[in-house]
Amino acid sequence: AQKITQTQPGMFVQEKEAVTLDCTYDTSDQSYGLFWYKQPSSGEMIFLIYQGSYDEQNATEGRYSLNFQKARKSANLVISASQLGDSAMYFCAMSRPNTGNQFYFGTGTSLTVIP
Amino acid sequence: EAEVAQSPRYKITEKSQAVAFWCDPISGHATLYWYRQILGQGPELLVQFQDESVVDDSQLPKDRFSAERLKGVDSTLKIQPAELGDSAMYLCASSTRTGTHTDTQYFGPGTRLTVL
Repeated sequence: AQKITQTQPGMFVQEKEAVTLDCTYDTSDQSYGLFWYKQPSSGEMIFLIYQGSYDEQNATEGRYSLNFQKARKSANLVISASQLGDSAMYFCAMSRPNTGNQFYFGTGTSLTVIP
Repeated sequence: EAEVAQSPRYKITEKSQAVAFWCDPISGHATLYWYRQILGQGPELLVQFQDESVVDDSQLPKDRFSAERLKGVDSTLKIQPAELGDSAMYLCASSTRTGTHTDTQYFGPGTRLTVL
């Protein structure tokens, strides 16, 4: 059963604008973590932001913020003031408790920033 | 800044040949993961180590794939013989020991394998 769903295969955003990348997840666990990674064309997976299931406040890291809606099981990534260097694939992941922290990954969203 | 090291970055091989990938995790990270990422998909776990022990290799095609982490530090993933369907990005990641849902996995640059 698919645990992470990213419904936007591709997104476009104008430079300096904000963009939201969607992520929904499916779990019956109470404790879990949600992560976002950026993967440029070079291939490395770059960690961006983390949200714990018990965290009451939305996580923020510089221009990245995570819009966490636990009841809806969604963890959308918001990138503010988009830059050309933000063009990449973005993956949402969920950690699985009691498995040594194994991750489920979504299928990713390709973001293109337009000058 | 500490990083996960992987080599080679690119590998082209012919089917039925053997290939090996190497990973050196961030110093002090007890947990090491090998993933395979097919183009257009998210990474999928192949094997997970805690120190030198295998925690989970249920998704590792054991007829042709093997992985080891003999001293609990660096790790090698081997494919023998390689098949056309093995063409993918192979990613290594590491995280700290606690094994809780809060642990972030840090990834290396990956090895892009092409099997001809």
